[in-house]
Amino acid sequence: ETGVTQTPRHLVMGMTNKKSLKCEQHLGHNAMYWYKQSAKKPLELMFVYNFKEQTENNSVPSRFSPECPNSSHLFLHLHTLQPEDSALYLCASSLVSSPLHFGNGTRLTVT
Amino acid sequence: DQQVKQNSPSLSVQEGRISILNCDYTNSMFDYFLWYKKYPAEGPTFLISISSIKDKNEDGRFTVFLNKSAKHLSLHIVPSQPGDSAVYFCAASGTETSGSRLTFGEGTQLTVNP
Repeated sequence: ETGVTQTPRHLVMGMTNKKSLKCEQHLGHNAMYWYKQSAKKPLELMFVYNFKEQTENNSVPSRFSPECPNSSHLFLHLHTLQPEDSALYLCASSLVSSPLHFGNGTRLTVT
Repeated sequence: DQQVKQNSPSLSVQEGRISILNCDYTNSMFDYFLWYKKYPAEGPTFLISISSIKDKNEDGRFTVFLNKSAKHLSLHIVPSQPGDSAVYFCAASGTETSGSRLTFGEGTQLTVNP
């Protein structure tokens, strides 16, 4: 149990589908993050939420749409993705000045 | 432009010996550095960190060294154990209070052989 739970663990979707990734943290943290990890590349920060407010969007295409209804839940809505969007999507949470706690990720394959 | 680089994609060491993982950075504004460990099918887990006011931080078998003039840090694991086999990520941020806005390296796969 990492304290940060991501569902689903694996997702296969077509380019015309709409799907959502879910993240929930049980650590009492106030910040939540979406990271993307593509093969042989560093983790890339996508979005940051502090106290439910989006504070960073790292030039992410609009086909990725985050939602943070409260400090414990974070979603990533996906629509009309491309095959190159296939990657491991990691959710993380933290307090203001503490290291990130990551979930186990969602392995996304776009066909 | 890659601001945090781990030039060795893989490292193999014998159990009981020392593992040394290296990381270089280019952004002189970075002053807080972290190492994360990642097992397959799991998310990265925080291992150890160091602030730029220090040049060494030790936690059990793990020691991180920082050379600010060279913009280089390293993680030493001694003695290495088979359970240490994982991908190790170096990460950096501008200040400790923004330690959550991290820039990651590509990772180094460490294999510790029994």
